[in-house]
Amino acid sequence: ETGVTQTPRHLVMGMTNKKSLKCEQHLGHNAMYWYKQSAKKPLELMFVYSLEERVENNSVPSRFSPECPNSSHLFLHLHTLQPEDSALYLCASSQAPGGVNTEAFFGQGTRLTVV
Amino acid sequence: GENVEQHPSTLSVQEGDSAVIKCTYSDSASNYFPWYKQELGKGPQLIIDIRSNVGEKKDQRIAVTLNKTAKHFSLHITETQPEDSAVYFCASSGYSTLTFGKGTMLLVSP
Repeated sequence: ETGVTQTPRHLVMGMTNKKSLKCEQHLGHNAMYWYKQSAKKPLELMFVYSLEERVENNSVPSRFSPECPNSSHLFLHLHTLQPEDSALYLCASSQAPGGVNTEAFFGQGTRLTVV
Repeated sequence: GENVEQHPSTLSVQEGDSAVIKCTYSDSASNYFPWYKQELGKGPQLIIDIRSNVGEKKDQRIAVTLNKTAKHFSLHITETQPEDSAVYFCASSGYSTLTFGKGTMLLVSP
């Protein structure tokens, strides 16, 4: 148990569906992140939130829409995805978004398959 | 931005041997260097980290060394066991978020 919980663990969706990934952290951290992990590729940072404000958006397509309603919860809303979006989506949190306090704690991930 | 190179991409060792994974970084302002272990079907877990005011840190069978002049840091695992088999990621950060290496798949054969 890392203190970061992601649901669902597995998700299969069609290209016309709309779904959401949820992340919750119980560590009192101020920064939360979404990463994409594809086979044989490095971890790709998608979004960074600090104190509920988005501070980084790494050229992610608009079919991925993040939401951070409070410092403990982070969502990733998905719509009209493509098969190449199939990957493991990881949520993480840290005390701060930069500097020596960036020790990140990861959730177990959501394995997403787009059919 | 920061660039982190990690080698090797795959490492196979016999149980009991040592394993070394090396990373280099580009941003001289980086001051925090964690290592993560990712087992199959799980998220990455922090196993050890080092900050720039320290040259070496050890925790039982794992150790990390940092050479700030050369901008490289390494993970050392001694007396490897089959349960050490996993993908290991290095990372670095300075004033911005963590930048990860591409990972090393470590296979420990009994």
